Amino acid sequence: AQSVTQLGSHVSVSEGALVLLRCNYSSSVPPYLFWYVQYPNQGLQLLLKYTSAATLVKGINGFEAEFKKSETSFHLTKPSAHMSDAAEYFCAVRTFQGAQKLVFGQGTRLTINP
Amino acid sequence: GAGVSQSPSNKVTEKGKDVELRCDPISGHTALYWYRQRLGQGLEFLIYFQGNSAPDKSGLPSDRFSAERTGESVSTLTIQRTQQEDSAVYLCASSPGLAGVYEQFFGPGTRLTVL
Repeated sequence: AQSVTQLGSHVSVSEGALVLLRCNYSSSVPPYLFWYVQYPNQGLQLLLKYTSAATLVKGINGFEAEFKKSETSFHLTKPSAHMSDAAEYFCAVRTFQGAQKLVFGQGTRLTINP
Repeated sequence: GAGVSQSPSNKVTEKGKDVELRCDPISGHTALYWYRQRLGQGLEFLIYFQGNSAPDKSGLPSDRFSAERTGESVSTLTIQRTQQEDSAVYLCASSPGLAGVYEQFFGPGTRLTVL
């Protein structure tokens, strides 16, 4: 069964600083991986996805993530944080059997300090 | 085009009452999912529809929870005899069901509060 672990339930960075949100996955087959963002009182919006093509994936709002099979990681980064990046971020792995549902990590709340 | 919509956006109910939550997926999306998000936690899968059949109900927490879908359109999640632990945000997502399109598109959710 696939699973996802997000290290750090809360991350705080200064405006303009590097953003790094960690995600490790467990999967017996090559995974499909996703990062979603959730702004307050809103649904989830897809930031980016990895589906076995290029290992460095670029998404919206300047975010990118690198799939590292040897480390079973899919960390999300952004070179320079903006105040508008404050939100909750979820890493997810898509199952291959049955429903092909998404299995989510617990989420990381990102706070941006002025 | 229109995204996934859910109604109501907020629902407050008393313990023991039944509630119905509605999801309108993106037109043409054959796959529909319900998830539950408890405060401060990630999303838990509840049920998956392909068309109007539900081949995976493995996430429904108890027999008080049920869901149906009309064709490839609206879905309703029903919770009978609500309990306080049912308080959560219930999110619906849809997906085209096409090869090569793997992401799910989420609605804004229904926040359920059981008093």
